[in-house]
Amino acid sequence: GNSVTQMEGPVTLSEEAFLTINCTYTATGYPSLFWYVQYPGEGLQLLLKATKADDKGSNKGFEATYRKETTSFHLEKGSVQVSDSAVYFCALRGNYGGSQGNLIFGKGTKLSVKP
Amino acid sequence: ETGVTQTPRHLVMGMTNKKSLKCEQHLGHNAMYWYKQSAKKPLELMFVYSLEERVENNSVPSRFSPECPNSSHLFLHLHTLQPEDSALYLCASSPGLADTYEQYFGPGTRLTVT
Repeated sequence: GNSVTQMEGPVTLSEEAFLTINCTYTATGYPSLFWYVQYPGEGLQLLLKATKADDKGSNKGFEATYRKETTSFHLEKGSVQVSDSAVYFCALRGNYGGSQGNLIFGKGTKLSVKP
Repeated sequence: ETGVTQTPRHLVMGMTNKKSLKCEQHLGHNAMYWYKQSAKKPLELMFVYSLEERVENNSVPSRFSPECPNSSHLFLHLHTLQPEDSALYLCASSPGLADTYEQYFGPGTRLTVT
């Protein structure tokens, strides 16, 4: 079936460290891929997205490239800040079977950035 | 400000109570969703509405009953819940059901069933 697998957390980094959160997917066809972020006590916010192979989504210093050959969409940031502490969710969405338009989420990766 | 609001933000209810969660979107979207977020589990899609018609129901127990009176409002009616139903309930909307559309989430209702 269609699924998203992301690295287990929690991830703890020092401020200004490099961040990578791995995400791989299994899907039929050509899904769109998303990263969402959830800050403490809040709902999910879209961080970035990519809708076709080799697209790069970017926002707030975060980047992720849609790699069809490796079925991956890893999230990266060159220099994290304390304010980036949150839970990050990788997700895919595509029209397949009877589940039109459904988002499939990974389990989430909690990031803690220390000063 | 995400354009999707949810009330109440917190709710404590007993197993015999009846309550409703409300979601409103101010984005002019045509699709709305209910999700359940439990600790240590992936987000679970519960219901999908498109143009006020239910298009998805992921085997959700009948003690959860959705209602979508118009494209801006979505309700989740709750009755005779179980303690394991305690979770964060998230509402979302999107312009339509196409795969390229992102979903915009509300802040959620933290539900505790005692």
